[in-house]
Amino acid sequence: DAGVTQSPTHLIKTRGQHVTLRCSPISGHKSVSWYQQVLGQGPQFIFQYYEKEERGRGNFPDRFSARQFPNYSSELNVNALLLGDSALYLCASSFGQGAINEQFFGPGTRLTVL
Amino acid sequence: AQSVTQLDSHVSVSEGTPVLLRCNYSSSYSPSLFWYVQHPNKGLQLLLKYTSAATLVKGINGFEAEFKKSETSFHLTKPSAHMSDAAEYFCVRMDSSYKLIFGSGTRLLVRP
Repeated sequence: DAGVTQSPTHLIKTRGQHVTLRCSPISGHKSVSWYQQVLGQGPQFIFQYYEKEERGRGNFPDRFSARQFPNYSSELNVNALLLGDSALYLCASSFGQGAINEQFFGPGTRLTVL
Repeated sequence: AQSVTQLDSHVSVSEGTPVLLRCNYSSSYSPSLFWYVQHPNKGLQLLLKYTSAATLVKGINGFEAEFKKSETSFHLTKPSAHMSDAAEYFCVRMDSSYKLIFGSGTRLLVRP
């Protein structure tokens, strides 16, 4: 079975541009979460979606937005890119919410902002 | 704020010797805690999780962790390190809204 897939794998943008990152969860999983991992740090929570509704938002500016589609795939959008947005963006999927539902992580999209 | 603190940014061991990666948590209640491993250019993989059942939790690849409420600790151990264990390890807690809060990570180096 396919795991969590993310696209693209790498991306280079310039300041002020916007970017869309995509995530396909494991088949049957209804929850998708997004995390930002800056080099040398642990991942930080950005958003969680469950059954196509936003269920949690981390401490990120409004330039960050996301959505979940009827097939449970998800997009993360970042507008007006800053140098500090350069990071590995991770998507995780789980069947539901709660600690009993393991979150499976994708390989990530590495975003470089020049 | 609810958080986890990984006490060592780097740990270096010789192959075949024990591994100890330390993690303390802050919480006003018994949290759900996890250890994840991240190999270079690979996604995060769950090693084990504690969800208020047995305090000694066994995970994959010979790792285990013990939840000690009195010490607010959740240290990760393995009796004998293997070269393939070299990776970044994250102690993680789940907060009340089901989001994962990661520690800053411990890089494990395994010397031949």
